[in-house]
Formats: sequence, structure tokens, C-alpha cells
Amino acid sequence: GQNIDQPTEMTATEGAIVQINCTYQTSGFNGLFWYQQHAGEAPTFLSYNVLDGLEEKGRFSSFLSRSKGYSYLLLKELQMKDSASYLCAVMDSNYQLIWGAGTKLIIKP
Amino acid sequence: IAGITQAPTSQILAAGRRMTLRCTQDMRHNAMYWYRQDLGLGLRLIHYSNTAGTTGKGEVPDGYSVSRANTDDFPLTLASAVPSQTSVYFCASSEREGSYEQYFGPGTRLTVT
Repeated sequence: GQNIDQPTEMTATEGAIVQINCTYQTSGFNGLFWYQQHAGEAPTFLSYNVLDGLEEKGRFSSFLSRSKGYSYLLLKELQMKDSASYLCAVMDSNYQLIWGAGTKLIIKP
Repeated sequence: IAGITQAPTSQILAAGRRMTLRCTQDMRHNAMYWYRQDLGLGLRLIHYSNTAGTTGKGEVPDGYSVSRANTDDFPLTLASAVPSQTSVYFCASSEREGSYEQYFGPGTRLTVT
């Protein structure tokens, strides 16, 4: 079966760095995605990785290792507005997104 | 309209009733999707459409139907609602099948009693 695993909840301090991990087992791979979802709102796109390595976009970076079925999202200089759920998703061989349950990130002052 | 809109925002529905959730996008995207989101579970794909006139089944299609008469609209119908269909429903679109970014509507919170 297809499976995406990520921690249920994490807590970090404002100004710090946090790494959210995601492991996956899917039928085929056409890219890994990270989305941000604030409580009561729609998911919004953060990043896309299809090749191994690190993609940096401002305070956010995303890493992929296809051989290990592993990705992480790195958030630097945390701000209170970063409190949200972070969703990991993999596009399978049918070009459909398989979603993890999300990691709720709590930022404390 | 800017992006994707969904209606209604929320709804309480008696079991056995028929309900259509509306979704409209103005980005001329070819692909559209319906997901449901339940606590502790990832988004699950109900139905999708890669282009106007075509639809396909996702992971959890039972009890739901869709149509895609034109590019902009993608309604989701519950023929006879059951309590297990209580969920938050998101409509999304992308330029085409396999595009790396999906744009989501604000969601419809549906409670079936």
C-alpha cells in the first residue's frame, strides 16, 4: 500500500530552527510536495522536490532523498505566523497526490 | 472571482438528503479535484477531472458523484448523505494533470446528522 508518515505535532521556539520529517512508500514517484495549512484554512503550496538534494526558498528549505524515501522541511528564524500544519504529499505513478496526515507546528514565544 | 470559490461554506444536512457542493475556478485550469479532510488523516482524493468532459475516481469515491460540463465548474454531489460523510471538503485545481502546484478553495464544512 501507499504510506506517508510524518510526526503528528512539534513544538519550537520563536526565532529557532525546526525540521519536519516525512517518509514515504508509494507506487511510483513523480515528486514530493510540502503544503502549509493554517487552522480553518485551505492548504497552500510551499515546495516541490523531484531530484535529490536541497531546495531553498527564503526561510524555508526542503530536502529529498529518493533512495531513502525521505524528505524534510526546514524552517529557519521561526515566526509566530509559522504556527500551522505542514502537509507532506507524494505524486504517485498516476499523477495523483498521496497525502500525509500533517504535522501541527506550535511556535512558542 | 479570484482563484477558486466553494459554496456553501458550511452545511448541516440530515442523513438521506441529497446535497451538491459547488466549486468554481477562474484560472482556466484544466485539472480539478475534490478532497475530503478528516482529523488525523491526510487529504483523501474523492474524484478528479483532468479536462472538461472527463472525470475519474480517486481513493474514496463511494457515495459521491461529479460532473465537469465546462472548464470552470466541478460540482460534487452526495446522492444520499450518511454520517460518515461528515468532513471538510476541499476543491482544488491545477494547470493540468501532474502540475506541481494545486490551488485549493476555502473548503466546505459538512455535518451529516
